Amino acid sequence: KAGVTQTPRYLIKTRGQQVTLSCSPISGHRSVSWYQQTPGQGLQFLFEYFSETQRNKGNFPGRFSGRQFSNSRSEMNVSTLELGDSALYLCASRRSGDYADTQYFGPGTRLTVL
Amino acid sequence: QKEVEQNSGPLSVPEGAIASLNCTYSDRGSQSFFWYRQYSGKSPELIMSIYSNGDKEDGRFTAQLNKASQYVSLLIRDSQPSDSATYLCAVISGAGSYQLTFGKGTKLSVIP
Repeated sequence: KAGVTQTPRYLIKTRGQQVTLSCSPISGHRSVSWYQQTPGQGLQFLFEYFSETQRNKGNFPGRFSGRQFSNSRSEMNVSTLELGDSALYLCASRRSGDYADTQYFGPGTRLTVL
Repeated sequence: QKEVEQNSGPLSVPEGAIASLNCTYSDRGSQSFFWYRQYSGKSPELIMSIYSNGDKEDGRFTAQLNKASQYVSLLIRDSQPSDSATYLCAVISGAGSYQLTFGKGTKLSVIP
């Protein structure tokens, strides 16, 4: 079974631009979560989508948004990029809405903001 | 603010020894606890989950949970150089919450 895939793997943007990252969950998985990982703050939860609905949102500004499509694929968008948005963005999927279900992480998108 | 604290390390142990990784959490209502392993340049992978007080063993790994002390640990027996990685403790707080809060991780180095 194919794992979680994320595109693109690497991205370079400049301040003020916006960016869209894509995540395809494991086939049959309906929940997709997004995380930001930086050396200083570690792994921080951005939001989770289940059946096209945002179920949880972390403590990030409104510049960070996301959505989920009917095929469970998800996108996240960051508008008006800041230098501090440089990070590894990880997507994770799990089969159901059960919080005990294992989350499987994708390889991540490395975003660099110049 | 729900927090998960880990000693950042690095923790160095000789090959064959027991590595002990510790984690404390602030939210007393936390229900689910996870240990992830992250190799450098890779994404996290789940190695253990634990939901009730006591020990849970899986091969060379043992997770220990003490809710009264708000403490969870991971023991790695017979440590191997391939265990060298950053270990992330993660917590889900309360039923109905699906948000994983991660600690910043402990870097483990197993010396041959």
